[in-house]
Parts: sequence; structure tokens; C-alpha cells
Amino acid sequence: QKEVEQNSGPLSVPEGAIASLNCTYSDRGSQSFFWYRQYSGKSPELIMSIYSNGDKEDGRFTAQLNKASQYVSLLIRDSQPSDSATYLCAVTDSGGYQKVTFGTGTKLQVIP
Amino acid sequence: DADVTQTPRNRITKTGKRIMLECSQTKGHDRMYWYRQDPGLGLRLIYYSFDVKDINKGEISDGYSVSRQAQAKFSLSLESAIPNQTALYFCATSDPRGHGYTFGSGTRLTVV
Repeated sequence: QKEVEQNSGPLSVPEGAIASLNCTYSDRGSQSFFWYRQYSGKSPELIMSIYSNGDKEDGRFTAQLNKASQYVSLLIRDSQPSDSATYLCAVTDSGGYQKVTFGTGTKLQVIP
Repeated sequence: DADVTQTPRNRITKTGKRIMLECSQTKGHDRMYWYRQDPGLGLRLIYYSFDVKDINKGEISDGYSVSRQAQAKFSLSLESAIPNQTALYFCATSDPRGHGYTFGSGTRLTVV
């Protein structure tokens, strides 16, 4: 069973601070990695994808991937109360169908 | 209109009843998925389909069946609903390049 692990939180950060969300995965052959944001009672929304080692930046979001350590992270700079949500890490497996396994999510609370 | 539409949005049904959840999409994607989400357990894959003639079981398919009526339509059925099928159900689509999922708004199903 391929696994994706996240700390469930809640992670509380003050407004304007950097929020750091972490995820580890078990399948060494995984090729694609995603971060989704999910507000309470709503559907997940894709916010970042990353496919190669290193950093990928998009606005206030930076995704970081380290395949050797099987570790992917999401940094949110200048955190806003509207960033308060659950963040899901998702990883494709190494099989032909590239099925996606989701972590259980980290709940982020940005305190005004 | 939403890219991925799920109906109904909410449903309460009795144990033993047959129920169908419907999903339609305008993304033009071949790949469609059904997930359920439970608190603390994250998103778990029920069934997935990569085209009209390709349907595959996910990790928790027991008690469920699906029908891919067309490229744009993918329905999930509970043949005889039981209380532990109470959950939030999501339909999702993706393209073959693996650029992440687009989720529907979800169906909140309660089995009493």
C-alpha cells in the first residue's frame, strides 16, 4: 500500500508569517506531486504541482521536492486568514495508470 | 457552469436503498474518478475510468458499482446502502498528461 503522510495539525501561524507544510511518501518511483487546498465542506482545489527536484514558485506559494528523501513541502509566504484551510498532498504512483494517493491533509489556521 | 457537476449535492437515504450519484464534465477529459472522503481518513479511491470501455476498481470498491455512459458522464451506484457509506463523495477528472485533478462540488450522502 503506497502511503502519503502528513501531520494533521492544526498548524497555527500569525498573519504575515510563512506557513510550512510537509509531506512524505513511500513510493520511490513517484513522478508527480500536487498540493490541493480544501476549505471546510468544499471540494479540493489544485494549487501547485511539481515534477522535478527543487523549488517551484507561484505567487505566494512555493513547492519543494526532494525525491532522494521522499519529501515534498509547501511554503506559503505572507499568510492570510483566507489561507486557513486543509492542505492535501497528493502523489502519483509508479504504475502505468499513475494513480494518485492523497494524504489526509494538514489543517492550517492563520491567526489575524 | 461548473466544469465538473455532481448531483445531488445532498442526499439522505435509508439503509438498503439503491442510490445513484451522477457526475458530468465539460473538461473534455477522458479520465474520471470517484472518491469518498471521511474525517481522518482522507480521500479514498472507489473507481476510476480512463475511457468509456475502461473501468477499474480502486481501493474501496466493495458495495459500489459504476457506469461510464459517455466520455462526459460517470455514475456511482450504491446497490444497497449501509450507514458506513455515509460520507462526502467527490467526482474528479484529469487529462492524460497528469496535470492534476479537477473536482466536482461533492455529494454529501447520509445513510440512516
